[in-house]
Amino acid sequence: GQQVMQIPQYQHVQEGEDFTTYCNSSTTLSNIQWYKQRPGGHPVFLIQLVKSGEVKKQKRLTFQFGEAKKNSSLHITATQTTDVGTYFCAGKGAQKLVFGQGTRLTINP
Amino acid sequence: SAVISQKPSRDICQRGTSLTIQCQVDSQVTMMFWYRQQPGQSLTLIATANQGSEATYESGFVIDKFPISRPNLTFSTLTVSNMSPEDSSIYLCSVVIGAYTGELFFGEGSRLTVL
Repeated sequence: GQQVMQIPQYQHVQEGEDFTTYCNSSTTLSNIQWYKQRPGGHPVFLIQLVKSGEVKKQKRLTFQFGEAKKNSSLHITATQTTDVGTYFCAGKGAQKLVFGQGTRLTINP
Repeated sequence: SAVISQKPSRDICQRGTSLTIQCQVDSQVTMMFWYRQQPGQSLTLIATANQGSEATYESGFVIDKFPISRPNLTFSTLTVSNMSPEDSSIYLCSVVIGAYTGELFFGEGSRLTVL
């Protein structure tokens, strides 16, 4: 069945450093979504990418969808302590939305 | 967007008992989902709650263990039956607002600990 792999599992950075998490699907996706879950909180939708090669930006966050629509990345420039949390990608295949394992970001102020 | 209220927010339960989690949405929604998130893990879809018909369960989840009700377009319940410590998880209700976008809104979750 469809699998969505996300790496790294954990990432610890100094405040101000950049951060990137990668998502790879075993099958071609119709779209990919990204969610952020703060410690003790629930997942909150960040963005959806639909088009091959699509790049979207939200302030310091840059999201990319691969040309083959099988991979995606989230890049945060100059991390801040408010960026702490777990970032999940979720890939939509033929029918189902499958979540990656998440990347837990911790930041040293 | 949507406001989703889940109750209880947390509970400590004894092995062998059952607990029902409620999910109330502030608007009518077609699709409601129940997810499980085990400690430090990702989100796993348990089932899709369908209004007026039986829920659709994902592989590995069965109705006897996780009965679901969906009496109307704003409310659903998930029961975790005959609980064991392995059922200790966060259970999340989620909805899609606007079938086209597919964006999920999540409730705050119900954190269950089974002793």
